[in-house]
Amino acid sequence: DVKVTQSSRYLVKRTGEKVFLECVQDMDHENMFWYRQDPGLGLRLIYFSYDVKMKEKGDIPEGYSVSREKKERFSLILESASTNQTSMYLCASSRDRVEKLFFGSGTQLSVL
Amino acid sequence: GENVEQHPSTLSVQEGDSAVIKCTYSDSASNYFPWYKQELGKRPQLIIDIRSNVGEKKDQRIAVTLNKTAKHFSLHITETQPEDSAVYFCAASTGNNDMRFGAGTRLTVKP
Repeated sequence: DVKVTQSSRYLVKRTGEKVFLECVQDMDHENMFWYRQDPGLGLRLIYFSYDVKMKEKGDIPEGYSVSREKKERFSLILESASTNQTSMYLCASSRDRVEKLFFGSGTQLSVL
Repeated sequence: GENVEQHPSTLSVQEGDSAVIKCTYSDSASNYFPWYKQELGKRPQLIIDIRSNVGEKKDQRIAVTLNKTAKHFSLHITETQPEDSAVYFCAASTGNNDMRFGAGTRLTVKP
């Protein structure tokens, strides 16, 4: 069974801090994604990666960056956390470009 | 880019009734339409998907229909049970890592 693991379930950070959210998948998937989930807005795509060291912007990349140094790991970085980045962050992976997404359990980030 | 709209935002039905959730998409190049179910406190999981060369797909009590001309697709759940209570998300993709989701429908099935 595919496992997508996010390093933290809950995280509390202060405004201006640099925040790292880590995601690891164990099925050798090519594609990895970061979404944020907000009530009434669904899942919005922040960044995705279709190969090691490759990254593409999604719909809301402002204030975020990503890193994919190894195939199994995709990190989301908040360079200077702000209160409007308080949200649930979901990582996902997929084998093919048109293929089902496997999601992690999510990280609920609160920025105070 | 693709824009997916989903209705209704909340839906309440009696156990045993049917539930229908509708989505529209904007990009005529979209060719893959999955539905995800997210139970409270859990991760979204794929429950059914359809590709643009198919008009309807069924899996036990759930079915999805696609109207490419009108650019809309729907999820149908028959004989609803309390365990069907969850948030359901539709999505659309052209196949270029551009999966876009609707805002979600919170379905409540009353016993």
